[in-house]
Amino acid sequence: EPEVTQTPSHQVTQMGQEVILRCVPISNHLYFYWYRQILGQKVEFLVSFYNNEISEKSEIFDDQFSVERPDGSNFTLKIRSTKLEDSAMYFCASSRGTSGGNEQFFGPGTRLTVL
Amino acid sequence: AQSVTQPDIHITVSEGASLELRCNYSYGATPYLFWYVQSPGQGLQLLLKYFSGDTLVQGIKGFEAEFKRSQSSFNLRKPSVHWSDAAEYFCAVGAGDKFYFGSGTKLNVKP
Repeated sequence: EPEVTQTPSHQVTQMGQEVILRCVPISNHLYFYWYRQILGQKVEFLVSFYNNEISEKSEIFDDQFSVERPDGSNFTLKIRSTKLEDSAMYFCASSRGTSGGNEQFFGPGTRLTVL
Repeated sequence: AQSVTQPDIHITVSEGASLELRCNYSYGATPYLFWYVQSPGQGLQLLLKYFSGDTLVQGIKGFEAEFKRSQSSFNLRKPSVHWSDAAEYFCAVGAGDKFYFGSGTKLNVKP
């Protein structure tokens, strides 16, 4: 059964450093998403991506964040200068269509720890 | 504004007992509703979803949920809980390009 994969599973970085989180969505999906979950809190939407551009983003997704689909399979989330409060689990998801009518399939997540 | 409320943060039930996890939503249009489960260290797995039609939907692992428009609720149920059901459960509303998640309910199962 196809699944969304994410690497690395755990990333530790120093405050101010850049990190790139990687995701491989399901191959025939067209919509891609990033969510984050701060420890003990709810899963929060960050950004959605379709047709090589951002289709929607939340207020969390500020200029420190960017997303890219550098090739036909990967979908990345970059944080330019990490802050302590960026420590969270980051989930990638993909779907065939928009969430209104389509299930989002989630990856296992990358736990980001900023020291 | 869209929102999802799961009023129970923690629930403990005995193995074999029935379970109901509550979810209330706020959404202006016809909602697309989902329940996901997250085991420790794992991602989110879809249990079931409601788009339209029959308001009682069946999911995996013996779970079901009932959509009640008048109460803006989408409660998750299981008639007999197994120890392997211990996890965190998230209700979500699909709206446009994103999901709105509730804060989750952690389920503990007593032997």
